[in-house]
Amino acid sequence: NAGVTQTPKFQVLKTGQSMTLQCAQDMNHEYMSWYRQDPGMGLRLIHYSVGAGITDQGEVPNGYNVSRSTTEDFPLRLLSAAPSQTSVYFCASSYGLGEETQYFGPGTRLLVL
Amino acid sequence: AQKITQTQPGMFVQEKEAVTLDCTYDTSDQSYGLFWYKQPSSGEMIFLIYQGSYDEQNATEGRYSLNFQKARKSANLVISASQLGDSAMYFCAMREMKTSYDKVIFGPGTSLSVIP
Repeated sequence: NAGVTQTPKFQVLKTGQSMTLQCAQDMNHEYMSWYRQDPGMGLRLIHYSVGAGITDQGEVPNGYNVSRSTTEDFPLRLLSAAPSQTSVYFCASSYGLGEETQYFGPGTRLLVL
Repeated sequence: AQKITQTQPGMFVQEKEAVTLDCTYDTSDQSYGLFWYKQPSSGEMIFLIYQGSYDEQNATEGRYSLNFQKARKSANLVISASQLGDSAMYFCAMREMKTSYDKVIFGPGTSLSVIP
């Protein structure tokens, strides 16, 4: 199993550009989520999905879109990048509810100029 | 409102000593889960320990134990016999599960430094 994979590892964008951060898992997990990590603020939930076709907003969804067309993939789209979106982005997945811990991807470092 | 509070931005501990990292949480649910993760300087998130709200015994995993006080809504992580490799950021997280949503929320983290 590759676990949770994220691409790219690093990205530099100009203000106003759009891009998609890719996340994939091969563990047949139903639950997937996106977090951003900023210094001193921990991980903040952007969007999450409890299964294919089902997504919902987290704490900081503005400026981001998600979709879940398959169980394996959960891409995060930045519609018009802003410097405030400079952050490290983590994708995570878990089998289901309850005590299932989340498995994290290695993260994507994004710099918006 | 802050769901997860970690009041210690930074902690120091002598090697081989025990250390307690504080975590308090806010929820009106009866059913929830509490997690602790470790993030070393390399950046990956490592799961350490889990406590369910209905678990009567405190969770333990090797040198890690979770001091769960439900009435106080606290879930402190205790690391025994600290090692240099324990130096990292530590995050407390809570999973709330309802019919309308299922969210995992993280606290701001505590930076632990182990001194030789």
